[in-house]
Amino acid sequence: LAKTTQPISMDSYEGQEVNITCSHNNIATNDYITWYQQFPSQGPRFIIQGYKTKVTNEVASLFIPADRKSSTLSLPRVSLSDTAVYYCLVGDEDTNAGKSTFGDGTTLTVKP
Amino acid sequence: NAGVTQTPKFRILKIGQSMTLQCTQDMNHNYMYWYRQDPGMGLKLIYYSVGAGITDKGEVPNGYNVSRSTTEDFPLRLELAAPSQTSVYFCASSRKQEAFFGQGTRLTVV
Repeated sequence: LAKTTQPISMDSYEGQEVNITCSHNNIATNDYITWYQQFPSQGPRFIIQGYKTKVTNEVASLFIPADRKSSTLSLPRVSLSDTAVYYCLVGDEDTNAGKSTFGDGTTLTVKP
Repeated sequence: NAGVTQTPKFRILKIGQSMTLQCTQDMNHNYMYWYRQDPGMGLKLIYYSVGAGITDKGEVPNGYNVSRSTTEDFPLRLELAAPSQTSVYFCASSRKQEAFFGQGTRLTVV
């Protein structure tokens, strides 16, 4: 399983765009990149998944460069409710989320 | 849709007691998982199952047991509770790499 590295914490202000980068130098050809969000006292929640280039949904965008050794989760115009821990996971579709490793994640704090 | 349901939400156990954490999902997912999360830390995989009758160990299986007799249910058993098992336990089910988590069970062993 590819190991991932993320910043431990980030601070932002309401209305700003936040970019969280994840390094995964040993990503395999079949691996996908998946991001989860976790609020205090809740289970993680799927945000977005991608394989290459750019993926966008109603919540976030995921940018993946051609070498796929890193990825960036972009949250547009954050609000206080985006304060949470964000996890980057890497694994193949057959592995499924459960056999990927949830590291310590990135704690994002959005300030007024 | 109920999704993934865990019971109980909170429990206090005495050292040496046993209990079963219940988990059920109504999405017909083959894959199910149990994690524990200690304060300020990420999630660690305890056990997982790829389908009814099939289970396997994760990263931290010691002190726990599981069974998977149906697609819907995946209970986690603690036989001899220890203070080190004080944690929040999350059950999840998944298709592909999108996992759906329950609300968690906060367990304290005293």
